[in-house]
Amino acid sequence: AQTVTQSQPEMSVQEAETVTLSCTYDTSENNYYLFWYKQPPSRQMILVIRQEAYKQQNATENRFSVNFQKAAKSFSLKISDSQLGDTAMYFCAFVYSGGGADGLTFGKGTHLIIQP
Amino acid sequence: DTGVSQDPRHKITKRGQNVTFRCDPISEHNRLYWYRQTLGQGPEFLTYFQNEAQLEKSRLLSDRFSAERPKGSFSTLEIQRTEQGDSAMYLCASSPSRQAAGGELFFGEGSRLTVL
Repeated sequence: AQTVTQSQPEMSVQEAETVTLSCTYDTSENNYYLFWYKQPPSRQMILVIRQEAYKQQNATENRFSVNFQKAAKSFSLKISDSQLGDTAMYFCAFVYSGGGADGLTFGKGTHLIIQP
Repeated sequence: DTGVSQDPRHKITKRGQNVTFRCDPISEHNRLYWYRQTLGQGPEFLTYFQNEAQLEKSRLLSDRFSAERPKGSFSTLEIQRTEQGDSAMYLCASSPSRQAAGGELFFGEGSRLTVL
């Protein structure tokens, strides 16, 4: 079974700063997807960014980018030019891309606070 | 709005009562998932459906829990004889086929259960 670990329960940065959220995972599989999901207060969880394990190139979505280190099983999220609206819980998640149950396995989350 | 909708958003009940939650997925999505999220934790997988077939159930889903998706559209999650430990946010998510979405899930806003 796979596990996802987020070692930072809470982080706080000033608006416009860059922040990096860490995530490590453990799996014996070779083909999988990794995700960062954002859960704003009292709102639905939304996808921030996705990475296919077979791709060496790190995914980027506007101000959000990842540092995917497959050998180290590390998948960190970098948020550049942070904005007040980035305040949320951020969850790292894993899913195996092969057969069988494919519900996401989530980490415990990092509460990111952007200070004005 | 064509997103995932859940009802009710908040349910308060007394221990021992039965509760039912409903989820309406995005219309063209054939996969539907239920997750449970307790305070300070990431979502935990409960069960998922492909069309009307329930293909996997987590060990978290005790025999007091039952989920259905009778016509492959909306789904219900019933909890019988509720216990205080059932207090949580119950999240529903849907997705199209794995190849099309790469495992990305689209979440509803959740149904929060409080058991007194």
